[in-house]
Amino acid sequence: GQNIDQPTEMTATEGAIVQINCTYQTSGFNGLFWYQQHAGEAPTFLSYNVLDGLEEKGRFSSFLSRSKGYSYLLLKELQMKDSASYLCAVVNSNYQLIWGAGTKLIIKP
Amino acid sequence: TAGITQAPTSQILAAGRSMTLRCTQDMRHNAMYWYRQDLGLGLRLIHYSNTAGTTGKGEVPDGYSVSRANTDDFPLTLASAVPSQTSVYFCASSEGGGNQPQHFGDGTRLSIL
Repeated sequence: GQNIDQPTEMTATEGAIVQINCTYQTSGFNGLFWYQQHAGEAPTFLSYNVLDGLEEKGRFSSFLSRSKGYSYLLLKELQMKDSASYLCAVVNSNYQLIWGAGTKLIIKP
Repeated sequence: TAGITQAPTSQILAAGRSMTLRCTQDMRHNAMYWYRQDLGLGLRLIHYSNTAGTTGKGEVPDGYSVSRANTDDFPLTLASAVPSQTSVYFCASSEGGGNQPQHFGDGTRLSIL
């Protein structure tokens, strides 16, 4: 079967750094997405990785290791507005997205 | 900028009734998708359409049907609703190709009693 694993919930402090991990086992791999979803709202696109390495975009960075079936989202200088769920999704060999259940990130002052 | 519009925002429906969830996009995207999101589970694909005139089944298609008569509209129909279809439904679109980011509507919160 196809499986995406993320921690269910994480807590971090305002101003700190947090790393949200995602491991995957899918039928083929054609890229990995990270989305942010605030409670009661729609998911919004954060990043896309298809090659190994780190992609940096402002306070957010995303890393991919295809050989390990592993990615992480790194959030720096945390702000209260970063409290949200973070969804990992993998594009499989059929070019369909397989979604993880999401990691709820709680930011404390 | 509208992007993707879903209607209704929320609905309470009696079991056995039919319901159509509407989705319209103004980005001229080729591909459109319907997902359901349930607590503790990832987004699950119900149906998709790679281009106008074509549709395909996703992971959980049973009890749902779709049509794609034109580029902009992608309605989702529940022919005879059951309580297990209580969920939040998201419509999304992308330029096409699985490696393009998907843009989501605000969702429809549907309760089947």
